[in-house]
Order: sequence, then C-alpha cells, then structure tokens
Amino acid sequence: GDSVTQKQGQVTLSEDDFLFINCTYSTTTYPTLLWYVQYLGQGPQLLLKVTTANNKGISRGFEATYDKGTTSFHLQKASVQESDSAVYFCALVGQGGRALIFGTGTTVSVSP
Amino acid sequence: NSKVIQTPRYLVKGQGQKAKMRCIPEKGHPVVFWYQQNKNNEFKFLINFQNQEVLQQIDMTEKRFSAECPSNSPCSLEIQSSEAGDSALYLCASRTEYEQYFGPGTRLTVL
Repeated sequence: GDSVTQKQGQVTLSEDDFLFINCTYSTTTYPTLLWYVQYLGQGPQLLLKVTTANNKGISRGFEATYDKGTTSFHLQKASVQESDSAVYFCALVGQGGRALIFGTGTTVSVSP
Repeated sequence: NSKVIQTPRYLVKGQGQKAKMRCIPEKGHPVVFWYQQNKNNEFKFLINFQNQEVLQQIDMTEKRFSAECPSNSPCSLEIQSSEAGDSALYLCASRTEYEQYFGPGTRLTVL
C-alpha cells in the first residue's frame, strides 16, 4: 500500500539558517504530496501542495519540490525565523477514499 | 486559513464514560474526515463521509466509536466507552479536491 517516510525527527536551527526536510513516498498512482505545519496547540495547516503536474509549490517563503526518480519530496526555506518553529508533516494523498498518509513529523526549533 | 470548527477544544472523561466531539466543516466541502493524532504525532485515519454517507472507516471505529454527519447539523464523533488509550487529539478535516483543511482539534484526556 501507499506509504510515507519522514526520517528527520528534530531539526535545530538559528534564525536565517537554511531549512531542508525530506520525505520519501511509495505509491502505485500519480502522487499528490502535501506539506502541513502544526503550531503548538493547533491543528495542521496546509502549507504546500506538489503534484506531478506542477513539480513545485511556493508559499510563505517555503518551497516544495518532488523528485520522481528518487520518489522523494522536499520542503525548504532559505532563511528561517523564530516564528517558523513548529512541527512539519509531509503527507501523501491516499488512493480510494483519499485519506492522508502522514509522515511522522519533523520538529523544527529556531532560536533567535 | 481553515474554517473548520471543532468543539469542544478540550474534553476530560473517566474510563468507561462517553466522549462526544463535534465538527462543522468548511462550507462547500462535501467530504469530512476524522483522524486521531497521538502524543507521538502519529496520525490514524478513523472515518470519512461524503454528503452524510460513510465512505471508509477502520475496524476500530466499528466497535466503540460512532460517527455521523447529518445534513444541516454538525458532524460528530462519539466514543461509547472511553479507554486510557483513546487519549489523543481528534482532528476533523474537510476536503476540496485533494487538499484537506483541518480544524484545531479536540484534545481528549481519559483519566
């Protein structure tokens, strides 16, 4: 079945550092890949969507890309701020009923 | 920003008690999902609806969990007899084509 792997559990950065988070996926269909951000005490917020059609998404300074050859997708931001401290999840839109298949999350901590 | 509304935000129950939570999806989103997020940030899909009809549900929800999405009323998820292992954040999401928009969640604590 479909699956997503997100290996980076924790990333610690300073302001203005570069952020890069990687996920790998497995699916038998054309993938639609989503990135969510979850701040403390809130539900996940949709950050970006990437499909085979657009290959790349950009929002709020974040950029998402995917690589079909390595079945991986990435989230990056050139210069993080303290307010970017949150948990970031990658997710694959599942087949059939389209329930999301989430990675295990990357906790990003940015110090001023 | 998501317009999915979930109530209550926090719910505390004793073991064996009923726990009920509600969700109002975004207007115009016909598909509603319920997920359980545990303290390790793992998401578990529970059930989803399209226009009041169940599309999919996992085995867990067929036993102690029940859910409905009546027309012109909030969707609800109810646990008939809460167990300690049910303590989690319960998230409701509504969907356009692919993107799912989440509410803030109901944090259930079972003592």
